[in-house]
Amino acid sequence: KAGVTQTPRYLIKTRGQQVTLSCSPISGHRSVSWYQQTPGQGLQFLFEYFSETQRNKGNFPGRFSGRQFSNSRSEMNVSTLELGDSALYLCASSGQGKGYGYTFGSGTRLTVV
Amino acid sequence: QQQVKQSPQSLIVQKGGISIINCAYENTAFDYFPWYQQFPGKGPALLIAIRPDVSEKKEGRFTISFNKSAKQFSLHIMDSQPGDSATYFCAASSGTYKYIFGTGTRLKVLA
Repeated sequence: KAGVTQTPRYLIKTRGQQVTLSCSPISGHRSVSWYQQTPGQGLQFLFEYFSETQRNKGNFPGRFSGRQFSNSRSEMNVSTLELGDSALYLCASSGQGKGYGYTFGSGTRLTVV
Repeated sequence: QQQVKQSPQSLIVQKGGISIINCAYENTAFDYFPWYQQFPGKGPALLIAIRPDVSEKKEGRFTISFNKSAKQFSLHIMDSQPGDSATYFCAASSGTYKYIFGTGTRLKVLA
């Protein structure tokens, strides 16, 4: 059974640019969440999608957005990149109800220069 | 009130010893408390999780102890091995996938 797949693994972008990250959840999982991981702030929740609808949202500016497709694959977009957006972006999926049990991908390491 | 406080920040244990990591929370609406293990270059992996209706859960060498009245829970790693060297995160949620994570504990097990 394939795990959660995130692409690309590494990305270098310039300040002011925008970026799109992709996540393919485990087959059959309908919930996909995104987290930002930095040494200073740890793991911070960005948003969660279920059946193409955003169910939960964290405390990030509107520059961070996401979407989910009918096949449960998800993308997140960051516009007008800032240096502070440099982080590991993790996607997690779950097939269970009520928030129990994530499986994380290996993440996309974004560096903003 | 949404924070989960984790300690210690780092831990060094001899092979065969017991590693203990503690977490505390404030929000009594939390009803699911997982622990994740993360190796460098990898995403966090679910180790073990507990609901507040039990005080202890054991899976192999990993045990969660849960104290509902004190709003604290801890991870015990028995017979710690060098392969256990990783960063450990506790987390809490209240029936959603919006997990609140602790700040992480970097564990090093000496051979």
